[in-house]
Amino acid sequence: EVQLVESGGGLVQPRGSLRLSCVGSGFTFSSYWMSWVRQAPGKGLEWVAIIKPDGGEKHYVDSVKGRFTISRDNAKNSLYLQMNSLRAEDTAVYYCARVWQDGTVDYWGQGTLVTVSS
Amino acid sequence: DIQMTQSPSSLSASVGDRVTITCRASQDINNYLAWFQQKPGKAPKSLIYLASSLQSGVPSKFSGSGSGTDFTLTISSLQPEDFATYYCQQYNSYPLTFGGGTKVEIK
Repeated sequence: EVQLVESGGGLVQPRGSLRLSCVGSGFTFSSYWMSWVRQAPGKGLEWVAIIKPDGGEKHYVDSVKGRFTISRDNAKNSLYLQMNSLRAEDTAVYYCARVWQDGTVDYWGQGTLVTVSS
Repeated sequence: DIQMTQSPSSLSASVGDRVTITCRASQDINNYLAWFQQKPGKAPKSLIYLASSLQSGVPSKFSGSGSGTDFTLTISSLQPEDFATYYCQQYNSYPLTFGGGTKVEIK
């Protein structure tokens, strides 16, 4: 059974930093693109970032470029999102997602809440 | 960036109704269109990819159609467990973008 479990969310002050983690199990983690998607309270889904299986290609939504970094450790079946210079508008539930071969998301984690507030 | 426009933003329907949700892309997305279902307080669930292919385990009452810029999600006979918010997403080009969502409520 495919499982994705996020951790690392919490309350952080504006301009602070946070690192999210996602551990995958039940599949060959190193073979899949992986992605982060977020959802602000009461709002819709917003794609954040994606990373190639070997970590050699990454893409970001413009609003997080230069502040967020997606990375992975295939030996630990883990995906990360380093978030710096956080803003109130980054407050959201962050979902880890597995990307199927054609580029679509097929599995989602349960999400971790990040709250940016003083 | 490709803009995804869903309509309606909400709808009320009864159990047994046939429901259709529309998603329009601002440019041709080569059928790289997915649909997701999300219930309150839960993670999204993947329903359809490549505009019309059902994800594994998704019941056949869900169907997707369309091409180019115009797509639809149809639920053939609405059941209580189908009341949720539905999102479309294009994955033809970065940044990947979602529609604003369609909330399906009980009439």
